Amino acid sequence: EAGVAQSPRYKIIEKRQSVAFWCNPISGHATLYWYQQILGQGPKLLIQFQNNGVVDDSQLPKDRFSAERLKGVDSTLKIQPAKLEDSAVYLCASSPAWTGEETQYFGPGTRLLVL
Amino acid sequence: GDSVTQMEGPVTLSEEAFLTINCTYTATGYPSLFWYVQYPGEGLQLLLKATKADDKGSNKGFEATYRKETTSFHLEKGSVQVSDSAVYFCALKGIQGAQKLVFGQGTRLTINP
Repeated sequence: EAGVAQSPRYKIIEKRQSVAFWCNPISGHATLYWYQQILGQGPKLLIQFQNNGVVDDSQLPKDRFSAERLKGVDSTLKIQPAKLEDSAVYLCASSPAWTGEETQYFGPGTRLLVL
Repeated sequence: GDSVTQMEGPVTLSEEAFLTINCTYTATGYPSLFWYVQYPGEGLQLLLKATKADDKGSNKGFEATYRKETTSFHLEKGSVQVSDSAVYFCALKGIQGAQKLVFGQGTRLTINP
């Protein structure tokens, strides 16, 4: 079974530029998560999708971050415009459902450096 | 809100030493508790989990017991190996709202031969 796929693996941009990350979850997983992991910290949830609907985006900086999961499968996370403090690893995860203790499976992450 | 506090690192041990990484949590009710591990150059992987009080999760020689009375989920291993060198994250999944994972800050473990 293929794992969670993410691309690109690395991205370097200048501040005020825009960037987009892509995630393809494990086949059949209804729930998709985007996390931000700043160096030295644990991952922080940005947004959670159940199929193509948003379940939780309370920690997403909506003035610059956006995410979509149009067909309930793969997802994109966009930052526009980027700030220096957006430098982090962006992790995508998926799980079969959103109730109970279902395990979340993580992708390798996209490492973003904003100069 | 829900939160997780982990023992600060980095932690450096010799091979075959006993390992404890402390984790305490604040949450409403009975959350599910997890330990995730991040090996160098790899993504986060679930190491073990426990979903109710007094449950013990175990995997690869690691164990953690869900202690409701002390709101703790300490990670232990009797004899560590060089291959255990990684960053370990304690996390909880709450019972309210969207049930998101809330992570601790991570503990970097280095095992010397």
